[in-house]
Amino acid sequence: KAGVTQTPRYLIKTRGQQVTLSCSPISGHRSVSWYQQTPGQGLQFLFEYFSETQRNKGNFPGRFSGRQFSNSRSEMNVSTLELGDSALYLCASTRTSGRGDTQYFGPGTRLTVL
Amino acid sequence: GQNIDQPTEMTATEGAIVQINCTYQTSGFNGLFWYQQHAGEAPTFLSYNVLDGLEEKGRFSSFLSRSKGYSYLLLKELQMKDSASYLCAVRDLGYGGSQGNLIFGKGTKLSVKP
Repeated sequence: KAGVTQTPRYLIKTRGQQVTLSCSPISGHRSVSWYQQTPGQGLQFLFEYFSETQRNKGNFPGRFSGRQFSNSRSEMNVSTLELGDSALYLCASTRTSGRGDTQYFGPGTRLTVL
Repeated sequence: GQNIDQPTEMTATEGAIVQINCTYQTSGFNGLFWYQQHAGEAPTFLSYNVLDGLEEKGRFSSFLSRSKGYSYLLLKELQMKDSASYLCAVRDLGYGGSQGNLIFGKGTKLSVKP
């Protein structure tokens, strides 16, 4: 079974631009969560989508947004990029919302903002 | 508030045993996870505890005490390939049908020496 895929793997943008990242979950997984990982803050939760609905949101500004499509693929968008947005963005998928379900991570998109 | 503490770095010798501790204070608890992350790669799932006690999986074991807000990951017969960061994550209580978010510690970087 194919794992979680994320595109692109690497991205370089300049301040003020916007970016869209894509995530395809494991086949059959309906929940997709997004995380930001930086050396200083570690892994921080951005938001979770299930059946095209955002169910949870972390403490990030409104510049960070996302959506999920009917095939469970998800995108996240960051507008008006800032230098501090440089990070590894990880997507994780889960089969259901059951208590014992494990999140499986994709390889991530490394975003560099210049 | 949400707080997860684990040592920043540890060093151990090949063939030895190492214990990585994690203490947590979260507003809710819906399970504790350990992930392994090699440099430049995505986190991979190692173990899950929701009830008190020890979960063993090959060379890896994880222990949980909910009353103490404490967990540890035990790695036996260390190998060079175990050099990685080990992330402790607590899943909080979800709402709206969600399983809850994963709140990560900043990770423990383990170096295995020959």
